[in-house]
Amino acid sequence: GQNIDQPTEMTATEGAIVQINCTYQTSGFNGLFWYQQHAGEAPTFLSYNVLDGLEEKGRFSSFLSRSKGYSYLLLKELQMKDSASYLCAVRRDDKIIFGKGTRLHILP
Amino acid sequence: EPEVTQTPSHQVTQMGQEVILRCVPISNHLYFYWYRQILGQKVEFLVSFYNNEISEKSEIFDDQFSVERPDGSNFTLKIRSTKLEDSAMYFCASSEAEGRPLHFGNGTRLTVT
Repeated sequence: GQNIDQPTEMTATEGAIVQINCTYQTSGFNGLFWYQQHAGEAPTFLSYNVLDGLEEKGRFSSFLSRSKGYSYLLLKELQMKDSASYLCAVRRDDKIIFGKGTRLHILP
Repeated sequence: EPEVTQTPSHQVTQMGQEVILRCVPISNHLYFYWYRQILGQKVEFLVSFYNNEISEKSEIFDDQFSVERPDGSNFTLKIRSTKLEDSAMYFCASSEAEGRPLHFGNGTRLTVT
């Protein structure tokens, strides 16, 4: 089986930095995705990590440690439009399984 | 930018009726998926499809569900006899290769009454 854990909700201030953690237990791990989902909309791809380390893409970075079963998504210079759910998803064979998501609230 | 399109955007049906949800994946993509999301809950994997056959399916994807790629562009999900608990947003997704990001359609909101 597999288990993906991430905090249910987080709050941060506009302009600040926030780190959203994800831990997972799964056999046959093949990579980890982060997606953003605004309420009522489809998930949109943010990042993909297969190897250990940090992947940076503009204001967003994602880190993976395979040995620890741990990833985080780092969002810098937060904007109001970053208010959304952030979904950690683990790839195992031909299946990509999503965690419950972290709802991020941005305060002005 | 090419996108995954789903029709209809909203479908209301009575319990026990059959529904077909339609998807047109991105044209050069080879892997296709269906997910569902019950309101307020997580995105749940239903099935993956590659090379004209199901490659993986979840426990949710029982005999009431089937998928088809009837031609070179469409990918459909059929629910044979809908139940109230099938009410959810159904997302189609595609990817160009194994391990590549999934691109999601805007979803079909299915309401079973």
